[in-house]
Amino acid sequence: SQQGEEDPQALSIQEGENATMNCSYKTSINNLQWYRQNSGRGLVHLILIRSNEREKHSGRLRVTLDTSKKSSSLLITASRAADTASYFCATDEASSYKLIFGSGTRLLVRP
Amino acid sequence: DAGVIQSPRHEVTEMGQEVTLRCKPISGHDYLFWYRQTMMRGLELLIYFNNNVPIDDSGMPEDRFSAKMPNASFSTLKIQPSEPRDSAVYFCASRDRGSGANVLTFGAGSRLTVL
Repeated sequence: SQQGEEDPQALSIQEGENATMNCSYKTSINNLQWYRQNSGRGLVHLILIRSNEREKHSGRLRVTLDTSKKSSSLLITASRAADTASYFCATDEASSYKLIFGSGTRLLVRP
Repeated sequence: DAGVIQSPRHEVTEMGQEVTLRCKPISGHDYLFWYRQTMMRGLELLIYFNNNVPIDDSGMPEDRFSAKMPNASFSTLKIQPSEPRDSAVYFCASRDRGSGANVLTFGAGSRLTVL
């Protein structure tokens, strides 16, 4: 079963614009991660935010976490055509190493 | 490091045939995960191992699926007999022990088509 659900399912923006994706989850977590998947490839880890953190930055990526609402957002600033991919949030159950992925957001960045 | 290596990259087989997917994790990684990805169900965790021992196989769909990890550098996922609904991309991933968190490195996947 999926722990996280992403919103929107698909997003199309112009190069240079910002892209925001949201993730909601159901149970207590140790941390939340975001991964990217290019078409036909495996998933690549982008960023991890721990349950006691509220915001984290990495280059053009900004992740927020609201544990009271069980939600997270991923912001990609100044998007590029190369950012076109699917983005997944993933959470691990507090008592195990099972990493459960959300349904993903398909991002298209138009040149 | 060459990363997580999966083979075959593509497999087309007929219903009823046995399918074996292979995975070589990154050296030193202590956890190995098998996932299945379909359009309908997204990414599903099938099974994961710690130090070659299966920890949780609750995601394995049914008895037709089995997974083994005979040593730290090799794992297999077997489907016998295969059915058309098994068509999916199967990913292997291993965990970075040094990260201190559950960060996974994925292989490129094995795309399975069962006719």
